Amino acid sequence: NAGVTQTPKFQVLKTGQSMTLQCAQDMNHNSMYWYRQDPGMGLRLIYYSASEGTTDKGEVPNGYNVSRLNKREFSLRLESAAPSQTSVYFCASSEALIRGNSPLHFGNGTRLTVT
Amino acid sequence: SQQGEEDPQALSIQEGENATMNCSYKTSINNLQWYRQNSGRGLVHLILIRSNEREKHSGRLRVTLDTSKKSSSLLITASRAADTASYFCATDSYSGGGADGLTFGKGTHLIIQP
Repeated sequence: NAGVTQTPKFQVLKTGQSMTLQCAQDMNHNSMYWYRQDPGMGLRLIYYSASEGTTDKGEVPNGYNVSRLNKREFSLRLESAAPSQTSVYFCASSEALIRGNSPLHFGNGTRLTVT
Repeated sequence: SQQGEEDPQALSIQEGENATMNCSYKTSINNLQWYRQNSGRGLVHLILIRSNEREKHSGRLRVTLDTSKKSSSLLITASRAADTASYFCATDSYSGGGADGLTFGKGTHLIIQP
């Protein structure tokens, strides 16, 4: 099993450019999440999808959009990248439809630099 | 906003010693989880402890939960070089439902000296 797969692994963007981070899971999980990790800040939730067809904002959604394409795939889009979006982005999935009831499975991250 | 906060921020011990990390949180929870992150990798789930449990073991890991003090601890016994990593606690908060993710602390960076 591949688990949670994120692409790309690294990306450099110029301010104002757009891009989509891709995430796919092969565990038949209901819920999927996008987090960003910054030094000294821990992980912060950007958006989540409790189940196929639903998406909701997390703690830091500004500047991002998401699409739950199907049960397997959950993409994160930066429409106009800003230097403040330089970060490591993690996608995660879990079985639970109830918060905290099951572990999150993480991908290995996308390291994004915006210049 | 941070729900869980780990303490200490960094910890360096000799191989074979025990390592203890603490986590404090602010609001009532259903569950608390601990994760490990090796450098350059994603987080890996270690243990989930429910609010009605006081202690849980998994191999060399022992987690305790004190809901009256809103705190948890992670003990790693007989540490190994491979235990070098950052360790995070993560909490939900009691909301009656909703899969809106977990809230992570900033982590404890553990270094095991050979």
